[in-house]
Amino acid sequence: EVRLAQSGAEVRKPGESLKISCEASGYNFGTYWIGWVRQLPGKGLEWMGTIYPDDSDARYSPAFEGQVTLSADKSTNTASLVWATLRPSDTAMYFCVRVDYGIDFWGPGTVVTVSS
Amino acid sequence: DVQLTQSPTSLSASVGDTVTITCRASQSVSTYLHWYLQKPGEAPQLLIYSASTLQSGVPSRFSGRGSGTAFTLTISGLRPEDFGTYYCQQSFNTLLFTFGPGTRLDIK
Repeated sequence: EVRLAQSGAEVRKPGESLKISCEASGYNFGTYWIGWVRQLPGKGLEWMGTIYPDDSDARYSPAFEGQVTLSADKSTNTASLVWATLRPSDTAMYFCVRVDYGIDFWGPGTVVTVSS
Repeated sequence: DVQLTQSPTSLSASVGDTVTITCRASQSVSTYLHWYLQKPGEAPQLLIYSASTLQSGVPSRFSGRGSGTAFTLTISGLRPEDFGTYYCQQSFNTLLFTFGPGTRLDIK
């Protein structure tokens, strides 16, 4: 059974850094693109970017280029989303997803709250 | 970037009704268009991929049509569990996906 398990909710102050994770199981982690989707409170879905775990080739949506960093570790079947400097506008739910024909599996989401 | 619009923005319907949601792309996406349902407090789930293919486990009352720039999702015989927000999403622009703004379906 394919499963994407995400790390727990986080609360940070503006300017702090953060790494959230997504552990995949039930399939060959290296051979499917993993993507990240942001959902601001009460809003729609935004595509952030994607990474191919086999070679760590990462592609970013223009709106998120330079704002976040994607990484993947095949030894632990884990993808990560990293912020070097958080802003209050980063407060949102973040989903990791598996990309196939469409997005066929979604993690449950990680809530990130950035507030002073 | 490919932009997606959806109509209507929201609608109210009754159990048993048939509803259709439209998604339009700013340029052709061929059939690289997919549909999702998000229920409150949950992650979205894939309903239809490649414009018209039913995802495994999704009831046959869901159907999708279209190609190029115009697409529809039809739900025939609404059930209580079908209410939520529907999103279309394109994958024609390889790995730079975009989502539509969503269509909220409420119980009348």
